Amino acid sequence: GDSVTQMEGPVTLSEEAFLTINCTYTATGYPSLFWYVQYPGEGLQLLLKATKADDKGSNKGFEATYRKETTSFHLEKGSVQVSDSAVYFCALSYGNNRLAFGKGNQVVVIP
Amino acid sequence: DTAVSQTPKYLVTQMGNDKSIKCEQNLGHDTMYWYKQDSKKFLKIMFSYNNKELIINETVPNRFSPKSPDKAHLNLHINSLELGDSAVYFCASSQDWGRGIGNEQFFGPGTRLTVL
Repeated sequence: GDSVTQMEGPVTLSEEAFLTINCTYTATGYPSLFWYVQYPGEGLQLLLKATKADDKGSNKGFEATYRKETTSFHLEKGSVQVSDSAVYFCALSYGNNRLAFGKGNQVVVIP
Repeated sequence: DTAVSQTPKYLVTQMGNDKSIKCEQNLGHDTMYWYKQDSKKFLKIMFSYNNKELIINETVPNRFSPKSPDKAHLNLHINSLELGDSAVYFCASSQDWGRGIGNEQFFGPGTRLTVL
């Protein structure tokens, strides 16, 4: 079935460092792709999305490009801040708009 | 104004009890969802309703019964609670259940259920 794979393990980095979180997907057809962020003790917020191949989603300095040839949607940010510390989920939507999530990556930004 | 709200935020109960979680959205959306997030933060869809009709019912035990009195509300009732039901339950809503460009899902703050 349709699924999303995120890189294993937490990500710890210093303020102003470059962040990359890998996400690959398996899908029949052409899903929409999303990155959601969950701050401590809160629900999920949509960070960015892309609905077709080569689309680039961007928000708050984060970017991700829908790559059909590599079935990937990697999240990047050029200079992270302490306030970016959160759990980041890659997701795709398939049949009846259900979301399939990756396992999430805890990002910890150290001052 | 809270777009998607859930009550209660925390729920602690004994094994075998019956409990309900309520969800309301004021976005005017037609479709609502329940997701379960386990202790490892893995999220999985449980149900979705579109305008009070069941659309998605994943392989969830019969002890879980969603109810949608109107399209702005989707409640989750759980009978005979078990230890494994401990999780965070998230409600979400979207404009409809298609996969159109604007059809992202908006999530509530979650309900942390602890079964003792």
